[in-house]
Amino acid sequence: GQQVMQIPQYQHVQEGEDFTTYCNSSTTLSNIQWYKQRPGGHPVFLIQLVKSGEVKKQKRLTFQFGEAKKNSSLHITATQTTDVGTYFCAGGVGKLIFGQGTELSVKP
Amino acid sequence: GAGVSQSPSNKVTEKGKDVELRCDPISGHTALYWYRQSLGQGLEFLIYFQGNSAPDKSGLPSDRFSAERTGGSVSTLTIQRTQQEDSAVYLCASSLAGYGAEQYFGPGTRLTVT
Repeated sequence: GQQVMQIPQYQHVQEGEDFTTYCNSSTTLSNIQWYKQRPGGHPVFLIQLVKSGEVKKQKRLTFQFGEAKKNSSLHITATQTTDVGTYFCAGGVGKLIFGQGTELSVKP
Repeated sequence: GAGVSQSPSNKVTEKGKDVELRCDPISGHTALYWYRQSLGQGLEFLIYFQGNSAPDKSGLPSDRFSAERTGGSVSTLTIQRTQQEDSAVYLCASSLAGYGAEQYFGPGTRLTVT
């Protein structure tokens, strides 16, 4: 069946360092979404990508959708302590399959 | 406006008992989803409702799990004869349209089976 794999599972960075999480699918995706879950909170929608090769930016966050629409990445420039949380990608054709998430911790 | 609400926020039950978890989606959202999240894990899809269509039950882990959505709004997830491995946070989400639309999550119900 369709799978969405996300790496790394954990990432510990010093404040000010960059961070990237990667999402890979075994099949071509019609779209991909990214969510952030703060510790003790619930997932909150960040963005959706639908076009091959699409790149979107939100302040220090850059989201990419691969040319083959099988992979995606989220890059955070100069992390801050407010970036702490777990970042999930979710993709599919129809039903969204969530990746396992990347837990980001930021040391001040 | 009001977001997705879930009740109870916490539920502790004894093994073998039945539990009901409630979800109130955002008004006007036609799609409703249930997920399960175990400690430190990702989101496990359970069931999806969209309008008057037959629900997608493909994620329900066993026949002890069932869900209903009444009047296209409130949904109830029922777990019969609870087991310790059912302990998790159960998240509900709704979206304005079906699959592929932005999902708005509720705060979840933390279920502990003792």
